[in-house]
Amino acid sequence: AQSVTQLDSHVSVSEGTPVLLRCNYSSSYSPSLFWYVQHPNKGLQLLLKYTSAATLVKGINGFEAEFKKSETSFHLTKPSAHMSDAAEYFCVVSVPTGANSKLTFGKGITLSVRP
Amino acid sequence: ETGVTQTPRHLVMGMTNKKSLKCEQHLGHNAMYWYKQSAKKPLELMFVYNFKEQTENNSVPSRFSPECPNSSHLFLHLHTLQPEDSALYLCASSQEGLAVEQFFGPGTRLTVL
Repeated sequence: AQSVTQLDSHVSVSEGTPVLLRCNYSSSYSPSLFWYVQHPNKGLQLLLKYTSAATLVKGINGFEAEFKKSETSFHLTKPSAHMSDAAEYFCVVSVPTGANSKLTFGKGITLSVRP
Repeated sequence: ETGVTQTPRHLVMGMTNKKSLKCEQHLGHNAMYWYKQSAKKPLELMFVYNFKEQTENNSVPSRFSPECPNSSHLFLHLHTLQPEDSALYLCASSQEGLAVEQFFGPGTRLTVL
């Protein structure tokens, strides 16, 4: 079975400062990992994904994440926060289950950006 | 239309009403999903369809009835819901295979009175 832990439920940063959103996973298989973002009253949008290629993954809007197998982590970072980054962020692990892949979502982190 | 669309965006219904949620994907995918998103809880997978066939039902109460007439359309029929069913219902699609991402619609905000 797989699981995702997002220990922080809420992160607040000032505009222009770095963002760090933490994610740890557990999986019996080599996982694929995703970060999704959800702005208010919107669906989930894929930020980036890791699928066993390069461990440092670059996504949209300046976000990136690094897969660290030894630490079972996949933390999301951005050098400089913008007001438009305020949203909910979900870390997701995917493992193959027969012909399908099953996604397991973390509880999400609400990112607030202060002016 | 592009991506995954859902209608209606908002729905208020009484416990005795019957309503349906609609999802349409314009991505040529062969798998579609219904998720329930409640406040302070992780996303809950409800149903999975592959090539119009239901492949997963995560112990969802029978008052939720999915229908997938083709690979592009997915419905969720609602009947005699409870107030605790109020949530954001998200539809997603993917080109099924290993470790592929899912593409989400904007969701239907459902309120059951």
